[in-house]
Amino acid sequence: QVQLQESGPGLVKSSETLSLTCVVSGYSISSGYYWGWIRQPPGKGLEWIGSVFHSGNTYYNPSLKSRVTISVDTSRNQLSLKLSSVTAADTAVYYCARQGTTGTSWFDPWGQGTLVTVSS
Amino acid sequence: QSALTQPASVSGSPGQSITISCTGTSSDVGGYNYVSWYQQHPGKAPKLMIYDVTNRPSGVSNRFSGSKSGNTASLTISGLQAEDEADYYCSSYTSSTTWVFGGGTKLTVL
Repeated sequence: QVQLQESGPGLVKSSETLSLTCVVSGYSISSGYYWGWIRQPPGKGLEWIGSVFHSGNTYYNPSLKSRVTISVDTSRNQLSLKLSSVTAADTAVYYCARQGTTGTSWFDPWGQGTLVTVSS
Repeated sequence: QSALTQPASVSGSPGQSITISCTGTSSDVGGYNYVSWYQQHPGKAPKLMIYDVTNRPSGVSNRFSGSKSGNTASLTISGLQAEDEADYYCSSYTSSTTWVFGGGTKLTVL
């Protein structure tokens, strides 16, 4: 059974860099699939941030591309998210999820999510 | 990229059927059979309900079904139950090798 668990600071200061980790258990990242990050501001909808293929190829939301870096560490079986120059608008619950690969598209399963608050 | 368009809210009585629409463009919903749907209860992570327009993952009730016509995809829930009350989101792959979500629909079971 594949499980994902996000972790990282719950409070980040404005203009600094948000850094989160997603540990994957029950499946080896190096075996395949895309792995994605999605966020949800309080009371609002879901926003796709970006995805990384097990090989390291990355795909980013154009609106966040200049500030986002997603990477995989196959030795630790985890993926990471870095979002620079954060503002209050980046306050959200951040989720990681496994994604379908070529020929199919889905996000499943999802981690439980971690709330990150950007303070001034 | 713009979010897919969903109605803000829908409602129905127990036992009835409801349909939630998800409208995009020919560059996303209309261009690929890669639409998925997610159910989210308050304080919980989203759960995959439908993928690739019509496919239901193992364990998801057959009361949930998906379809697509042109640039609009739809999620239909038949035999509404109280436990179906939740937020629902659609998602689509796009021609830019990105993914986009809808704004979400709040389902109320009356």
